[in-house]
Amino acid sequence: AQSVTQLGSHVSVSEGALVLLRCNYSSSVPPYLFWYVQYPNQGLQLLLKYTSAATLVKGINGFEAEFKKSETSFHLTKPSAHMSDAAEYFCAVNDQGTALIFGKGTTLSVSS
Amino acid sequence: SQTIHQWPATLVQPVGSPLSLECTVEGTSNPNLYWYRQAAGRGLQLLFYSVGIGQISSEVPQNLSASRPQDRQFILSSKKLLLSDSGFYLCAWSVSLVDEQFFGPGTRLTVL
Repeated sequence: AQSVTQLGSHVSVSEGALVLLRCNYSSSVPPYLFWYVQYPNQGLQLLLKYTSAATLVKGINGFEAEFKKSETSFHLTKPSAHMSDAAEYFCAVNDQGTALIFGKGTTLSVSS
Repeated sequence: SQTIHQWPATLVQPVGSPLSLECTVEGTSNPNLYWYRQAAGRGLQLLFYSVGIGQISSEVPQNLSASRPQDRQFILSSKKLLLSDSGFYLCAWSVSLVDEQFFGPGTRLTVL
């Protein structure tokens, strides 16, 4: 079965700093990979997805992620953090024949 | 465009009382439907998913049940709530099991 690991349950950055949220997956076949964002008391919103096309995927709100097969990683980055980026972020991977597998989430804090 | 609705938005129920949460999707046909629960600090837990009317897959044993009486309606129920049922309940839909999921706004359930 597939699995996904998000390294770091909490990440803190200063406004304007680089955001890097880590996600590693285990898969024996090329996966589909997703990043979601969740603001307090709201549902999850899709940021971006990788479906075996370009390895660098651009998403909404200035986020992007790079698929690295050799490292089985799909890290999420943003060059310059905004206060409004403070939220919880989830990485997910598809599993053959069942629903998406979600990571445990990473809470991003942004300080001024 | 597609939209997903959940109600109620918040609910406070006593232990041992019944539960019914409803989710409906508009603008699509034959969606896959999902129920998730988020308990404090415990990430996203898949409870049930459905690939069609009357077809329910349960991911975890518990005192909750799900039903899909219509193509775009998904209901989460319980006959007797436990304190541990408190949490944030999210409904989601997708075109297929491997595609991205689209989430509703969620229901905050507090069991006292």
